[in-house]
Amino acid sequence: DTGVSQNPRHKITKRGQNVTFRCDPISEHNRLYWYRQTLGQGPEFLTYFQNEAQLEKSRLLSDRFSAERPKGSFSTLEIQRTEQGDSAMYLCASSLMGGNTEAFFGQGTRLTVV
Amino acid sequence: KNEVEQSPQNLTAQEGEFITINCSYSVGISALHWLQQHPGGGIVSLFMLSSGKKKHGRLIATINIQEKHSSLHITASHPRDSAVYICASPRSKTSYDKVIFGPGTSLSVIP
Repeated sequence: DTGVSQNPRHKITKRGQNVTFRCDPISEHNRLYWYRQTLGQGPEFLTYFQNEAQLEKSRLLSDRFSAERPKGSFSTLEIQRTEQGDSAMYLCASSLMGGNTEAFFGQGTRLTVV
Repeated sequence: KNEVEQSPQNLTAQEGEFITINCSYSVGISALHWLQQHPGGGIVSLFMLSSGKKKHGRLIATINIQEKHSSLHITASHPRDSAVYICASPRSKTSYDKVIFGPGTSLSVIP
């Protein structure tokens, strides 16, 4: 399978715990994006990387959120001290650089904070 | 006002019907992306188009850049087409960080 892979697919955690999600992009893609999607809404941009550099962060990404892409390949998204409002689907996508390039999405990680 | 709007919000169709989902956007874009999201969350890319029409199997997407409008058509709909269809506009030619997603159209095809 050469698509975008996300792990875990589902995560249930207690409020206040830390969680970490992983995204493995398509291998030749140098851009990687994280989005959050709540029920009934379209995805919202969180942050993106070009290779290992984090180029932009949305205001949605509070101090409790951190993302890394240490070697320019896989990426992790960590949420510290989770809150119930963090419950959402977290989507990762990757793309090549260049004009009108298409982003390919992973299956998402569904987080439920109880 | 949302920069990307879709209609209808929800759609129920009988198997075999011809389906049209519309996407209108107010921002200037260079291309539009149609995505399909099944229950369970995974998003699949359907089309990326910047002009004219694209066809893949029973799916057809059209775009009119001047009118800022795109349509996704499904011919001979089938229950497996039941999903949420999302249009997205990457506002930047080179990056998906500025992408604006529509709210999605939830399609249910009944046997």
